[in-house]
Amino acid sequence: AQSVTQLDSQVPVFEEAPVELRCNYSSSVSVYLFWYVQYPNQGLQLLLKYLSGSTLVESINGFEAEFNKSQTSFHLRKPSVHISDTAEYFCAVAPYNFNKFYFGSGTKLNVKP
Amino acid sequence: EAGVTQFPSHSVIEKGQTVTLRCDPISGHDNLYWYRRVMGKEIKFLLHFVKESKQDESGMPNNRFLAERTGGTYSTLKVQPAELEDSGVYFCASSLIGTGYGYTFGSGTRLTVV
Repeated sequence: AQSVTQLDSQVPVFEEAPVELRCNYSSSVSVYLFWYVQYPNQGLQLLLKYLSGSTLVESINGFEAEFNKSQTSFHLRKPSVHISDTAEYFCAVAPYNFNKFYFGSGTKLNVKP
Repeated sequence: EAGVTQFPSHSVIEKGQTVTLRCDPISGHDNLYWYRRVMGKEIKFLLHFVKESKQDESGMPNNRFLAERTGGTYSTLKVQPAELEDSGVYFCASSLIGTGYGYTFGSGTRLTVV
């Protein structure tokens, strides 16, 4: 069985400050790891994913996440956030056959000016 | 390329009524999935189609929910009769057969049962 825990339901942060959104997972099989983002009034968008190779993965808008197998974590970080990063972020895992995703409960990132 | 399209985007119905949600996957995507998010909780898997066949419906909450996929193209999810606890956001996703490549979510349908 798989489960995903996002430890923070809400994270308030000031603009240009760094942020870390935490994600831990539990799985009885090997999985791929993902972060999805949902901006206000929009659908789920893939932010970044870890499939194999380097454990540090980056998105095009400055987010990065590091896969830590020993700690079963996939925390999302950004060194300097913008107002436009305000959204809800979901951590997810999927087994290698991609037959389904298992999501965390989401973290609302609120970037304040 | 058009994305995964869901409609309606919002639906408000009374308890006991019937609602049908529709999902149009990306053309050529044989895999189609339904997920649901209830009241700020995690997004949960409902079921998975491969073409017109149900591959996995282990996440369907009860027999008030019926999913179909006509001719392996679009899919509908019918809730009959709707209950208050069915309120939430219903997401559809699609991907190419045999892989997770191009796994794409729709914008979701927000269902409110009053």
